Amino acid sequence: RKEVEQDPGPFNVPEGATVAFNCTYSNSASQSFFWYRQDCRKEPKLLMSVYSSGNEDGRFTAQLNRASQYISLLIRDSKLSDSATYLCVVNTRDNFNKFYFGSGTKLNVKP
Amino acid sequence: EAGVAQSPRYKIIEKRQSVAFWCNPISGHATLYWYQQILGQGPKLLIQFQNNGVVDDSQLPKDRFSAERLKGVDSTLKIQPAKLEDSAVYLCASSSTTSGRGGEQFFGPGTRLTVL
Repeated sequence: RKEVEQDPGPFNVPEGATVAFNCTYSNSASQSFFWYRQDCRKEPKLLMSVYSSGNEDGRFTAQLNRASQYISLLIRDSKLSDSATYLCVVNTRDNFNKFYFGSGTKLNVKP
Repeated sequence: EAGVAQSPRYKIIEKRQSVAFWCNPISGHATLYWYQQILGQGPKLLIQFQNNGVVDDSQLPKDRFSAERLKGVDSTLKIQPAKLEDSAVYLCASSSTTSGRGGEQFFGPGTRLTVL
């Protein structure tokens, strides 16, 4: 079983739409959670960390459900520039700052 | 602040040849990671260093891959001999936090390897 699982998509949405991605993780000892964004042929970059209480950054909202072991990312009012692959990343306490990556969810925002 | 540096950016080699990649992490970052990212997949950890010691190399194909970080700063990853399935982007990342605390990783631009 993979440590982190994501729907690969692609999610094709029109500009202005709201879109949500989910991600599940298998290790209940996981400690920290992140969403990274990866543009085509570029390196991953941190989009936002995910806190237990949920957190929001502009049009982006991240939620964590420890009981069900899933993480979500909600993007409101999608922009063309949001088109990218979104990687769910989990950090596990039982290793030296080891990060597990999902395979990514591809988002295409259309005009 | 300078980011993670990697070289070369692109490399094309024939199978059975050798290749080496170099990474210089962000200054002061104790943890350095090498990932392999195959097209359409998420990054897969090959090896993780804490200073100059290896803390995880469980997914490193040790018959052909090797890596070192001799002075606890920059690192090299070598493939010898390369196979067709090694075609991928090799990403180097670094982070400043230690065990149990988590934190952000910073990635270099990657080296795109094509094995013919």
